[in-house]
Amino acid sequence: DTAVSQTPKYLVTQMGNDKSIKCEQNLGHDTMYWYKQDSKKFLKIMFSYNNKELIINETVPNRFSPKSPDKAHLNLHINSLELGDSAVYFCASSLNSGIFYEQYFGPGTRLTVT
Amino acid sequence: AQTVTQSQPEMSVQEAETVTLSCTYDTSESDYYLFWYKQPPSRQMILVIRQEAYKQQNATENRFSVNFQKAAKSFSLKISDSQLGDAAMYFCAYNTGTASKLTFGTGTRLQVTL
Repeated sequence: DTAVSQTPKYLVTQMGNDKSIKCEQNLGHDTMYWYKQDSKKFLKIMFSYNNKELIINETVPNRFSPKSPDKAHLNLHINSLELGDSAVYFCASSLNSGIFYEQYFGPGTRLTVT
Repeated sequence: AQTVTQSQPEMSVQEAETVTLSCTYDTSESDYYLFWYKQPPSRQMILVIRQEAYKQQNATENRFSVNFQKAAKSFSLKISDSQLGDAAMYFCAYNTGTASKLTFGTGTRLQVTL
């Protein structure tokens, strides 16, 4: 009965490869997010979707492309991976967008680019 | 720029004692929510406590309470009767704007000793 799940939990790949991280939530939420946590543990928002519509797109290289096939899924595709992309990527969801709604986080995906 | 500052990179507390983690923030928004998240070694992000800026009463959740000083833009977390399981990274964050974007501080690593 996992609320927000991510696959894979660990991903090791070489520079230049393309990879995807999948996120699914079974909470019936309308809004989903991607956050990046760097090696110094700093967390920063990357993207947010509300009802499959992109509502937040921070300054992220266009090698990163989110895709939301439906409200319960938000995937992150990364092209031409670079060493600096190594980080933990967290998916989160909330009932709706807006400051009132608590965000529930997935377990994170540790991406290592060699 | 809107920021969250946690001035204590590391803190240590003895079991059963009380510890306070500091957080200051800077936002031009009039309504927002403030949060403390806990990240244990498992890396799961766990919501500890939250506070709406319009509420003057400080939030409390069991052994966790906050001291919210809106004018000073300060939001500290007090952990009473510390337990070994409280050892983790603690992140202060706020959520503001219609698009619901969490902005995090750099975190405080809390050690709990016997």
